[in-house]
Order: sequence, then C-alpha cells, then structure tokens
Amino acid sequence: ELKVEQNPLFLSMQEGKNYTIYCNYSTTSDRLYWYRQDPGKSLESLFVLLSNGAVKQEGRLMASLDTKARLSTLHITAAVHDLSATYFCAVDPNSGFGNEKLTFGTGTRLTIIP
Amino acid sequence: NAGVTQTPKFRVLKTGQSMTLLCAQDMNHEYMYWYRQDPGMGLRLIHYSVGEGTTAKGEVPDGYNVSRLKKQNFLLGLESAAPSQTSVYFCASSLTGLGVYNEQFFGPGTRLTVL
Repeated sequence: ELKVEQNPLFLSMQEGKNYTIYCNYSTTSDRLYWYRQDPGKSLESLFVLLSNGAVKQEGRLMASLDTKARLSTLHITAAVHDLSATYFCAVDPNSGFGNEKLTFGTGTRLTIIP
Repeated sequence: NAGVTQTPKFRVLKTGQSMTLLCAQDMNHEYMYWYRQDPGMGLRLIHYSVGEGTTAKGEVPDGYNVSRLKKQNFLLGLESAAPSQTSVYFCASSLTGLGVYNEQFFGPGTRLTVL
C-alpha cells in the first residue's frame, strides 16, 4: 500500500523567512503533484512533477522531485502572508501509465506571521 | 468553461435521510472522483469512475453509492445518512489514460452536516 507522508503537519513562519515542506512516499513513482488549499476553499493545482530531478518554480514557491529518495520538497522563499494555506502532495504510483488513483498526503498547514 | 461544479454547496440532513450530490465537468475528462475531507485526515477517496457507465470503490466506500450515466456527470448518493458522514465532499476530474499524467481538477466542495 502506498503511503505518503508530509512534514511538518503544521508550520508557522515569519514573513521574509525561507522554509521547506517535505513529502516522502513509499513506492517507486516519478509523478508527483502539489496542491494548495485556502481555508474553506477547494484544492488548486500548483505543480506537476513528472521525472527524477524535475524542478518547477512559481513566484516564491519551488518544487522538486527526487525519485531515488522518494522525496519531493516544496521550498518557500521570503514568505509573504498570501502564502498561508494548506499544501498537499499527491503521488501517482504507476509511472508511465495513466493511473486512475492518486494518494494524497495529509497536508501541511502553513501560517505566515507578520 | 466552468470546470468542475458541485451541487449543492451546503446541506444539513437528519440521520437516516438520503441525498444525492451532483458533480459536473465540462472538460471532457474521462476520470472522475469523489473524496471526503475531514480534519487531520487529508483527502480520502470514496469512489471513482474511469469512464461513462463504470465505477469503482476507493478507500472509504461504505455507506455511499455512485453512478456515472453520462460522461460529464458523477453522482454520489447517501442512502441512509449517519453523523459519521458529516464532512466536506470534493469531486475531481482528470484527463488521463496511457501515457497521460493524472492531474486532477477539483470542484468547490459540498459541506454536509448530518444531525
């Protein structure tokens, strides 16, 4: 059974600081997705990572994938209040094929403090 | 292009009542999903469909039924609601298949309370 673990589960950080959220998974995969969820809202797709070494950046967020370590990271640079949200990673276990299911991590609730 | 829509947005039921949640997508996606989200539990897959007329069980299917009579619609039914089914329900869809990655697009959610 595929397990996806995120840490930390809760993160409180000051504006302007850098931090990293980690997503570890238990089976071979080279497809991983990051989503953002604002309180009371739906999930919004942030990044799609499709190969070992993939790196995607948007604004102050950068995501990377290391398939050998079964690890993805979401790095926040110079945090601003607007980044406060819950972030989920999701893993597609069937590399190279259209798999019908994703397995989601439990999420990291990020709060940016002024 | 509305994406994924869900009806209703909020609902309060009494124990034992039944209801149907409707999910619609206008992106011509083959795959559709129903999840529930509870505090501290992340997203858990209830049922999913890989095409019109097909459905399959997910991680937590008990107490729910689904139907996919049309490609664009995916219905989630609760036959006899229980307080344990109080949750936020999300529908998602994806364009997937051999060689295509499974990026899922989510609806706005339905907040269900069972008293």
